[in-house]
Amino acid sequence: DTAVSQTPKYLVTQMGNDKSIKCEQNLGHDTMYWYKQDSKKFLKIMFSYNNKELIINETVPNRFSPKSPDKAHLNLHINSLELGDSAVYFCASSPSFGRDEDTQYFGPGTRLTVL
Amino acid sequence: GESVGLHLPTLSVQEGDNSIINCAYSNSASDYFIWYKQESGKGPQFIIDIRSNMDKRQGQRVTVLLNKTVKHLSLQIAATQPGDSAVYFCAENPGGYNKLIFGAGTRLAVHP
Repeated sequence: DTAVSQTPKYLVTQMGNDKSIKCEQNLGHDTMYWYKQDSKKFLKIMFSYNNKELIINETVPNRFSPKSPDKAHLNLHINSLELGDSAVYFCASSPSFGRDEDTQYFGPGTRLTVL
Repeated sequence: GESVGLHLPTLSVQEGDNSIINCAYSNSASDYFIWYKQESGKGPQFIIDIRSNMDKRQGQRVTVLLNKTVKHLSLQIAATQPGDSAVYFCAENPGGYNKLIFGAGTRLAVHP
């Protein structure tokens, strides 16, 4: 059974388009995250939600908007896509964000290519 | 094939040897550290973690050492196997809302 899943796995689109990436976890975790991995493999956190509430919002353009319909899902919507948005986006989840509940487990990633 | 990540530092080892991957972390307030393994085309996979009240933790074939004095973390893999070939990341948690800060990654190449 997949613990953290993302769709789609690959996304190729034109500049200026709007796209969404979906994430679901079946681990019963309260906290979910979005990370961006650039072409040099550098991983950086973008957002975190705990029980549908935003708790981390890094310096990310407001073209990126996360949405958490329930605690098992955290979707990422991107407006007006730019070339620099091309990257691999990873979703992750942890039981919570407190001590001893904070181990993060990652999904398989979504490779976004903006042409 | 994948062209990204070619500029990552690379550790090349012979199958059966022990591997040591090092990581320097930045924040003295960090109290939780994790090692992840990322295979090509996959997400980071949890390997082992350690809290700041420990200096060593062992798992199956892996050991993590933490030296808080010099802010250094290492991952030791015993009897390295071809399946260990991947990019390895250390991550630190400086506290707060579990915002992990990742290191740059080291590519481990295991040769038969």
